Amino acid sequence: AQSVTQPDIHITVSEGASLELRCNYSYGATPYLFWYVQSPGQGLQLLLKYFSGDTLVQGIKGFEAEFKRSQSSFNLRKPSVHWSDAAEYFCAVGPTTSGTYKYIFGTGTRLKVLA
Amino acid sequence: DTGVSQNPRHKITKRGQNVTFRCDPISEHNRLYWYRQTLGQGPEFLTYFQNEAQLEKSRLLSDRFSAERPKGSFSTLEIQRTEQGDSAMYLCASSPPVIGGYEQYFGPGTRLTVT
Repeated sequence: AQSVTQPDIHITVSEGASLELRCNYSYGATPYLFWYVQSPGQGLQLLLKYFSGDTLVQGIKGFEAEFKRSQSSFNLRKPSVHWSDAAEYFCAVGPTTSGTYKYIFGTGTRLKVLA
Repeated sequence: DTGVSQNPRHKITKRGQNVTFRCDPISEHNRLYWYRQTLGQGPEFLTYFQNEAQLEKSRLLSDRFSAERPKGSFSTLEIQRTEQGDSAMYLCASSPPVIGGYEQYFGPGTRLTVT
């Protein structure tokens, strides 16, 4: 079955520290991959996406993610976290095979940033 | 673009009542998704429209839920005979008519509380 796993429910980092949020997926083929951020009371905002090509993708707000086919992972990274990055982060997969249009989201990782 | 809009933003209803939510996608976006999100979870796919055609529905969508997109522009999601378990955030997302991978643009959501 297709699924997305975000193993860390909560992560706390100090401002200025580096960040890595983990995402693993199960899919029959290489899916389209996304990271979204959701601030309290807000909709989801796209941080970055991977469709094909270079496995290291750059996104907005200084985020990047690396697709590793062998590990079925698409981890999100940021070298220096800002207090405004505190939010919930969702990894998602989109369909590349015909027969479905369904996007699948992970359960999210809530990031807390200490001043 | 003014973004995806959803109305109302909040809805409180008594159990057994019917509710209807509206989503206005970004103009020129022919794809439209509805999701449900509960606390501590990622968005859960409900249904997908391409233009006015409803091409996919989640098996989790009970017959109390119905969605329409009559002219391929705005969409409505109706829940009949609401239950307390229907309390959630209902998110709408739209996507452009591109070939291959596409990202979703989310609205702010409608928060439903069933008392």
